[in-house]
Amino acid sequence: DADVTQTPRNRITKTGKRIMLECSQTKGHDRMYWYRQDPGLGLRLIYYSFDVKDINKGEISDGYSVSRQAQAKFSLSLESAIPNQTALYFCATRGTDSNQPQHFGDGTRLSIL
Amino acid sequence: SQQGEEDPQALSIQEGENATMNCSYKTSINNLQWYRQNSGRGLVHLILIRSNEREKHSGRLRVTLDTSKKSSSLLITASRAADTASYFCATDARSNTGKLIFGQGTTLQVKP
Repeated sequence: DADVTQTPRNRITKTGKRIMLECSQTKGHDRMYWYRQDPGLGLRLIYYSFDVKDINKGEISDGYSVSRQAQAKFSLSLESAIPNQTALYFCATRGTDSNQPQHFGDGTRLSIL
Repeated sequence: SQQGEEDPQALSIQEGENATMNCSYKTSINNLQWYRQNSGRGLVHLILIRSNEREKHSGRLRVTLDTSKKSSSLLITASRAADTASYFCATDARSNTGKLIFGQGTTLQVKP
């Protein structure tokens, strides 16, 4: 089983809909991150969390919200989806040691029509 | 904004050749990490090099870091068709937040 699991893997929806992307991890890591990747670009940080109920904005948080109700789960919501939020979304985790890599899920491909 | 700039954006080589990718960044870092992404999939960590390290090896991979020039390079020796992927550098700034700033990536094609 994957250490970092994202659901759904693919989602097509319409403008204005509310969407939730889920991430769960079995690594026991405190830190969790949501990134967005657009074609031909690197990843950009949306939100991150150090612990349950801890939420921090990243580089591109506008239009998104997150929830960290349990250590193992970090969900990303688009309250009212718009077409330019069409992208590949990744969840990642990391332990407390600052010299550890992040561990990524396989991503959610989101298309907003 | 992207901190990392990667060069080249695309690289096409024959199997058995070496591939070199370069990454430049702008601010002080705690470490620099290289990741690989197969088409449309998640990122897989390759190597992490700390700011006080100059070179690191892992199998056919060699990473160098020059903090005075704010640059890093990834060398893949004796490339294989299975190395075809996108490669990203990411910097972890000296803030202990773990936030990574990614470059835009180098797309490597290794022809059999």
